Amino acid sequence: SAVISQKPSRDICQRGTSLTIQCQVDSQVTMMFWYRQQPGQSLTLIATANQGSEATYESGFVIDKFPISRPNLTFSTLTVSNMSPEDSSIYLCSVVSGQGRDYGYTFGSGTRLTVV
Amino acid sequence: QKEVEQDPGPLSVPEGAIVSLNCTYSNSAFQYFMWYRQYSRKGPELLMYTYSSGNKEDGRFTAQVDKSSKYISLFIRDSQPSDSATYLCAMSAGTGGFKTIFGAGTRLFVKA
Repeated sequence: SAVISQKPSRDICQRGTSLTIQCQVDSQVTMMFWYRQQPGQSLTLIATANQGSEATYESGFVIDKFPISRPNLTFSTLTVSNMSPEDSSIYLCSVVSGQGRDYGYTFGSGTRLTVV
Repeated sequence: QKEVEQDPGPLSVPEGAIVSLNCTYSNSAFQYFMWYRQYSRKGPELLMYTYSSGNKEDGRFTAQVDKSSKYISLFIRDSQPSDSATYLCAMSAGTGGFKTIFGAGTRLFVKA
């Protein structure tokens, strides 16, 4: 399965600032996914990043708040803009891995964001 | 009602015990069922994958799907302290473009 490098692993940021999270995959993939994981809550899909087109955002998430770049088939960034304490969470990138009976997602190790 | 319900725990068991983790769901269109394991400060990793109903066994792990009851289970036999992690169920109606819905995860502690 794919190997994903995600950074930074954690950060503490001031409210009103922005943080860009990077995700590097060791193989070419069509779609990359960005998730948010808040304590005690399920993984929530923020958006799907497709190379060569605009990202597709899920309900409740907007491009102005979470701009995404996808310059090639192995790399994507997610920016959390104008941060507030409510944005404190773990952010994860993922790709679909495997086929058929081994279908599933491979995740990066996550970025633990604290906004103060 | 959430599409996928999962008891958050924590669940604490002694080493060697059989662990049962469960999820219920409401969407009858779900066909693909997965279990992920997430260690502290790590991303989730795929543990088991099952299509439609039935059982699947992999070493000490057995996944069961009962579509008539909209209920899935993960059993861990001979549990080890290294099994201590959060276990997330996940499901989707299909592959390639279908959204995967995750449970909130059950935190498991296996005591030596």
